[in-house]
Amino acid sequence: GAGVSQSPSNKVTEKGKDVELRCDPISGHTALYWYRQRLGQGLEFLIYFQGNSAPDKSGLPSDRFSAERTGESVSTLTIQRTQQEDSAVYLCASSTPGGFWGYTFGSGTRLTVV
Amino acid sequence: AQSVTQPDIHITVSEGASLELRCNYSYGATPYLFWYVQSPGQGLQLLLKYFSGDTLVQGIKGFEAEFKRSQSSFNLRKPSVHWSDAAEYFCAVEGRDKIIFGKGTRLHILP
Repeated sequence: GAGVSQSPSNKVTEKGKDVELRCDPISGHTALYWYRQRLGQGLEFLIYFQGNSAPDKSGLPSDRFSAERTGESVSTLTIQRTQQEDSAVYLCASSTPGGFWGYTFGSGTRLTVV
Repeated sequence: AQSVTQPDIHITVSEGASLELRCNYSYGATPYLFWYVQSPGQGLQLLLKYFSGDTLVQGIKGFEAEFKRSQSSFNLRKPSVHWSDAAEYFCAVEGRDKIIFGKGTRLHILP
C-alpha cells in the first residue's frame, strides 16, 4: 500500500483481556518495527522484524507481549492479560533493510485498558 | 549503548520567531541521525536525516539541522516558525538495526 496501515485505530479493553493489534507495512519494506508511546513519553522500542531473520525481541516489556509477522507482510502484536499500564499508543513502522532512509510510521493504535 | 537526549521538554516561541531544538546523542561510530515531527493525533513524519557529508542538512517544512561531532549534537532549527509548527519533535539515532528516539520536545507557538 501507499503507507503503513494500522488497525484498529482505537481499542478499549477490559483489564485481563487479550488484544491483537495489526500492522500492514509498505509493500517492499522488509523491515518492520513496533514501538510503544505512553502518554507524554517518547517512543519505546518493542520488537523488530527483518525479512526471514529471527526477530529482535529485546524491547518487549514482559512475556505477555508477543508479535508475529508473516513473511514480509502483515504483523500482529498481541498483548495477553492486559494491564492498565499497557494503555498507550502502539506505533508500527516499516523501512527498507537497515532503515537508513528513515522509517515510515503508521498512525498508531490507541489502546485503553479499563 | 546509543542514546538520545532532548534536554527541553517544552519550548514556547512566538509566531515568526526563530527556533532551535536541542539534541545530544551518544554513539560510538558515525551516527545516522533523524528528526521526526508528531502533530496532535498524527503519526510521526520524517523531517530530515543525516548520514554523512555536509553537516548542515535541509529538511521539509523549512527545517534544517546541523551535525556537530565535537559536541555530539544535532540541533534542529527554523528561521521563522508558523502556528502550524506546533507539535512534538523527536530526535533519533540509528543504532544496530533500530532507531532510538529521544523523549521529545513539545513546541508551543504564541500568536
